[in-house]
Amino acid sequence: AQKVTQAQTEISVVEKEDVTLDCVYETRDTTYYLFWYKQPPSGELVFLIRRNSFDEQNEISGRYSWNFQKSTSSFNFTITASQVVDSAVYFCALSEEDTGRRALTFGSGTRLQVQP
Amino acid sequence: ETGVTQTPRHLVMGMTNKKSLKCEQHLGHNAMYWYKQSAKKPLELMFVYSLEERVENNSVPSRFSPECPNSSHLFLHLHTLQPEDSALYLCASSHAVGTSYQETQYFGPGTRLLVL
Repeated sequence: AQKVTQAQTEISVVEKEDVTLDCVYETRDTTYYLFWYKQPPSGELVFLIRRNSFDEQNEISGRYSWNFQKSTSSFNFTITASQVVDSAVYFCALSEEDTGRRALTFGSGTRLQVQP
Repeated sequence: ETGVTQTPRHLVMGMTNKKSLKCEQHLGHNAMYWYKQSAKKPLELMFVYSLEERVENNSVPSRFSPECPNSSHLFLHLHTLQPEDSALYLCASSHAVGTSYQETQYFGPGTRLLVL
């Protein structure tokens, strides 16, 4: 079973629109970490946020905000007033403490295109 | 200076060639990773090194041979590759604490490999 699901393959918005990228995860661990990364066309994965399973507070960083809801196993990412520079592929990832796995489990990514 | 660098950024090789990918991290981390990103698959972990010892080999074919001479450098030696090995190869590093690898992984820009 897929552990991190990003159901939106591609989203296209016009500049200044708000956009939400969905992420649903699956784990049996009680301690785990969730991440969002941005991959611009250059290829590098840029770290955006890390959240542990015990901290359900939403977080805001400039135009970015994250909504973590354990009840629905979701960790959604909202960009407010999108800009062309936000165009990229965004990945949600899961790291599980209890299983001792050393890798991040990535979703398949959501490609965001922001049109001017 | 950027945290994680990779060279070369682009590589074209024939199936009989031998080449090496290089990764260097300047973040003082003690764990390094190789990931493979193919066109239609999620990011896949290939290898994990902690304190220069390989701690995970994710069923990678022997035509990929990693080397970690010190905690700052990681290589991926390639020989007799197949066209299906064409992908973006990403290096990452993090700070591992004991057996916990939950700290944020920081990625390099990747090497885009084409095997003819």
